[in-house]
Amino acid sequence: DIQMTQSPSTVSASVGDRVTITCRASQSIARYLAWYQQKPGKAPKVLIYEASTLESGVPSRFSGSGSGTEFTLTISSLQPDDFATYYCQQYNNYPRELTFGGGTKVEIK
Amino acid sequence: QVQLVQSGAEVKEPGSSVKVSCKASGGTFSGHAFTWVRQAPGQGPEWMGGIIPIVGTTNYAQKFQGRATIITDESTSTAYMELSSLRSEDTAVYYCAVPKIGYCTSPSCFSLDYWGQGTLVTVSS
Repeated sequence: DIQMTQSPSTVSASVGDRVTITCRASQSIARYLAWYQQKPGKAPKVLIYEASTLESGVPSRFSGSGSGTEFTLTISSLQPDDFATYYCQQYNNYPRELTFGGGTKVEIK
Repeated sequence: QVQLVQSGAEVKEPGSSVKVSCKASGGTFSGHAFTWVRQAPGQGPEWMGGIIPIVGTTNYAQKFQGRATIITDESTSTAYMELSSLRSEDTAVYYCAVPKIGYCTSPSCFSLDYWGQGTLVTVSS
């Protein structure tokens, strides 16, 4: 099974800061990686898929990059609505296997 | 636009089973690739398995093989996930989700775009 490791687990940041979250896969997953944002009591919301493709309606301050085993999610200028938990998810072997990372909580500094 | 509406919260005793439903509206039901994900309190999402009705395939995470059953009922546009032999560690919110692209059977079309509202299952004696 493919394991996904996210870092850091928590980020303390201020409005306007640039935030970068990293996700590492235990083996190559090509570019089959998605990023989700989740707020308390809500279902996850997809932000980016195929490593760097922005989901329709998602602000352009969100961007993704990477391939193989190393991926990043960047928020270029943190906004109040962005304080949430972010998860990566690999789907290289979909539909036989999906794996989520452990999550990164972005909190107010 | 696809909407997924899940059944209500459940409280179950250890050793029993729970069946969560996910009713879909919008799109073509047989084209939806349903994925089931659960999230224990304070934890990240965990993939349980999925079903692609048009292909007739069902896949399960190894952890849930033999204990989870995922089916669909096209007559009611509803997907179901049943989990048996419940234990306290199964206390979680259970979600169904589907990609925006119908008939998705490969990674090239996959992302979990539409989600149900979640169903809280509490396992307690």
